[in-house]
Amino acid sequence: NAGVTQTPKFRILKIGQSMTLQCAQDMNHNYMYWYRQDPGMGLKLIYYSVGAGITDKGEVPNGYNVSRSTTEDFPLRLELAAPSQTSVYFCASRPRGGNQPQHFGDGTRLSIL
Amino acid sequence: AQSVTQPDIHITVSEGASLELRCNYSYGATPYLFWYVQSPGQGLQLLLKYFSGDTLVQGIKGFEAEFKRSQSSFNLRKPSVHWSDAAEYFCAVGGNTDKLIFGTGTRLQVFP
Repeated sequence: NAGVTQTPKFRILKIGQSMTLQCAQDMNHNYMYWYRQDPGMGLKLIYYSVGAGITDKGEVPNGYNVSRSTTEDFPLRLELAAPSQTSVYFCASRPRGGNQPQHFGDGTRLSIL
Repeated sequence: AQSVTQPDIHITVSEGASLELRCNYSYGATPYLFWYVQSPGQGLQLLLKYFSGDTLVQGIKGFEAEFKRSQSSFNLRKPSVHWSDAAEYFCAVGGNTDKLIFGTGTRLQVFP
């Protein structure tokens, strides 16, 4: 019963490097989300997807890209990493229905130096 | 504009004391309301949710919340706090849409 799995848990990048944060869910959820969490700022939505092949921007999409080729996977790509992208990143998923709660992974802590 | 306000950034209580965490929202349609808890180094875990029916909802770990439409509030309560309740708590609002709006969180500290 894995739920939402995020890898890696920790990563340090140099400025200008790129990387992909992985997110996989085994609950057959249509909806998937990427958030970043900064101290005192709550969660900010980066990108989300309502199903395979469909993605849309959230509140803070600049500097990130996503794809959704399968129901299970929703990777987040950082191109040209910048210090402002130092954060904790959370992936979440939920079934159809606005009253359905989101299920969260344990996060990826990313530092850009 | 749609928003969630958690007025208390940090709350400290003694173990065994009662707890109330405040949440006020602004939402143009019928709101769906959620409370999540985040322990250090962990993701968010659902405590409870409200979308219709009885305005007093029960959740896990002995928590409850009351929806008050007239006050646009959804405050979280617990009669007697345990040391293991120390964590950060997030209120969120959504509706018949794709996204949730989260508050900035309240950090709860529990003294023995």
